[in-house]
Amino acid sequence: SQQGEEDPQALSIQEGENATMNCSYKTSINNLQWYRQNSGRGLVHLILIRSNEREKHSGRLRVTLDTSKKSSSLLITASRAADTASYFCATVLYTGGFKTIFGAGTRLFVKA
Amino acid sequence: NAGVTQTPKFRVLKTGQSMTLLCAQDMNHEYMYWYRQDPGMGLRLIHYSVGEGTTAKGEVPDGYNVSRLKKQNFLLGLESAAPSQTSVYFCASSYSGRAAGELFFGEGSRLTVL
Repeated sequence: SQQGEEDPQALSIQEGENATMNCSYKTSINNLQWYRQNSGRGLVHLILIRSNEREKHSGRLRVTLDTSKKSSSLLITASRAADTASYFCATVLYTGGFKTIFGAGTRLFVKA
Repeated sequence: NAGVTQTPKFRVLKTGQSMTLLCAQDMNHEYMYWYRQDPGMGLRLIHYSVGEGTTAKGEVPDGYNVSRLKKQNFLLGLESAAPSQTSVYFCASSYSGRAAGELFFGEGSRLTVL
């Protein structure tokens, strides 16, 4: 099974509401990243949080990391229809070289 | 800057045919990766490279080969395509540094094997 697993698999909310996505992983990490993918496009990096950090903010994004529980969450505040996309967490491991492993993603639909 | 460019964007193959996907990056990144994306499976790492002349296996390497003869290029080959290799393939690159940073992705190559 995959290193990172997102929850929920799909999320539908109204514009203006907050969206929270969770990610769990299995092994020790160097850092954890969140990416966004619009339909039919490549992934775009959103935010990176290192293993010694607990919380990070970037605009309307807030990421938390709990290494004791091997979990992370991504909060998007005041969501917009344009936030509709799939969101992936990615864990970065060091195994003689850095390797980035992705979860299955959360599909977010924001209704206008 | 073009970033990460993948060619071709679309390809249809018959079972048993061979092909090569080309990934080129102009950011002087050390690390390059090939992933495949299937519905409900997210991205799975096929092979990666930590520098020119080096390659390593990822999660799902069987049926694929790679080469990194030049720093800016990372080739993914299918010697004998199978329907199970129908997927969208993404190439990515990153700067290594002392700690891995963000990956930059291409727009994907959609492969169908009949």
